[in-house]
Amino acid sequence: KNEVEQSPQNLTAQEGEFITINCSYSVGISALHWLQQHPGGGIVSLFMLSSGKKKHGRLIATINIQEKHSSLHITASHPRDSAVYICAVLSHVSNDMRFGAGTRLTVKP
Amino acid sequence: NAGVTQTPKFQVLKTGQSMTLQCAQDMNHEYMSWYRQDPGMGLRLIHYSVGAGITDQGEVPNGYNVSRSTTEDFPLRLLSAAPSQTSVYFCASSRWTGRDTDTQYFGPGTRLTVL
Repeated sequence: KNEVEQSPQNLTAQEGEFITINCSYSVGISALHWLQQHPGGGIVSLFMLSSGKKKHGRLIATINIQEKHSSLHITASHPRDSAVYICAVLSHVSNDMRFGAGTRLTVKP
Repeated sequence: NAGVTQTPKFQVLKTGQSMTLQCAQDMNHEYMSWYRQDPGMGLRLIHYSVGAGITDQGEVPNGYNVSRSTTEDFPLRLLSAAPSQTSVYFCASSRWTGRDTDTQYFGPGTRLTVL
């Protein structure tokens, strides 16, 4: 079983829909990161969380440390949101990053 | 600021050849790391460093060496290339608080093919 599990693996939505991507992890962490990778391959950091909730534009990320779970929400989704979204955690024991397999989001106009 | 730079962008090697992938950042970040990304798989950590002179192994370190003689540079050396090392390699950097990292900045990637 992977230490970082994401769901769903693939997600197709219509423009304007509310999107939720989930991440569960089984190791003790110092921080959790949400990353975005567009089809061109570049990787961009969206959020770094150690507790609570963060919001940036139409993106919201939450984390529940006790339940070892995080969610990434996209409100009013747009075709330009189509990308792979990756959850990554920093182990507080070994200081190394562990990654989920990613969620491929396609938003149709 | 140039951010995180990686060279080369593309490389083709023959089995057994050695080479160094370069990574540099100009943000004075302490934490630097190398990842590989294979089709259908997530990113996997190869090696990482929390500061000059300090390196550690990640999930898939075999066949790779790193060193961190300066804060800015974190080269990845392939000792004897194998077809299994065909992949896209990403370097990343971030601030390091001593306990956790800040926002991760990724380089554009190096696409390596080993024949």
